[in-house]
Amino acid sequence: AQSVTQPDIHITVSEGASLELRCNYSYGATPYLFWYVQSPGQGLQLLLKYFSGDTLVQGIKGFEAEFKRSQSSFNLRKPSVHWSDAAEYFCAVGALSNTGNQFYFGTGTSLTVIP
Amino acid sequence: SQTIHQWPATLVQPVGSPLSLECTVEGTSNPNLYWYRQAAGRGLQLLFYSIGIDQISSEVPQNLSASRPQDRQFILSSKKLLLSDSGFYLCAWSVTVLPGTGYSDTQYFGPGTRLTVL
Repeated sequence: AQSVTQPDIHITVSEGASLELRCNYSYGATPYLFWYVQSPGQGLQLLLKYFSGDTLVQGIKGFEAEFKRSQSSFNLRKPSVHWSDAAEYFCAVGALSNTGNQFYFGTGTSLTVIP
Repeated sequence: SQTIHQWPATLVQPVGSPLSLECTVEGTSNPNLYWYRQAAGRGLQLLFYSIGIDQISSEVPQNLSASRPQDRQFILSSKKLLLSDSGFYLCAWSVTVLPGTGYSDTQYFGPGTRLTVL
């Protein structure tokens, strides 16, 4: 069965430090991968997505993610975190199923940024 | 450009009362529509998805139901709310990009409805 794991429930980083949020997936074929960000009380905003091609994808707000098939991972990175990046981050995989398309979301990683 | 609306933004309802949450999408035709619930401090739980009018699939047995009276309108309902129905409800849309497969592109989310059942 398809699944997405975000092993870090909560991460705290200092403003200006680098960030890496981990995401591992389980899927039998080439997955379609996404990262979303959610500010408190808001909906989810798409940061970036991977469908095919270059395994390093660039997104909005200075984020990037790298697809590593051998590790079944799609980790999100940012070289220098800003205080406004504090939010909940969700990794998701899109997959075909018997009932059509499905999106599977991880349980999220909460990011705290300290001055 | 496409936009997605949800209302109300916030709702406080007593246990046993009915529920109706509405979601509409503008700027696209025949979207796939989804209802998710997000409990406090937890991830997203897919409740329903629809690939067309009167084509609705339920993912989790519950006292909730969904309807799609128009192409770009998706409604989440309940006849009697439970305490456990409290949460943040998100609507999302996508479009099918692989004909014949039902596979859809990116999901785009609405602003959400905060439901508190007392």
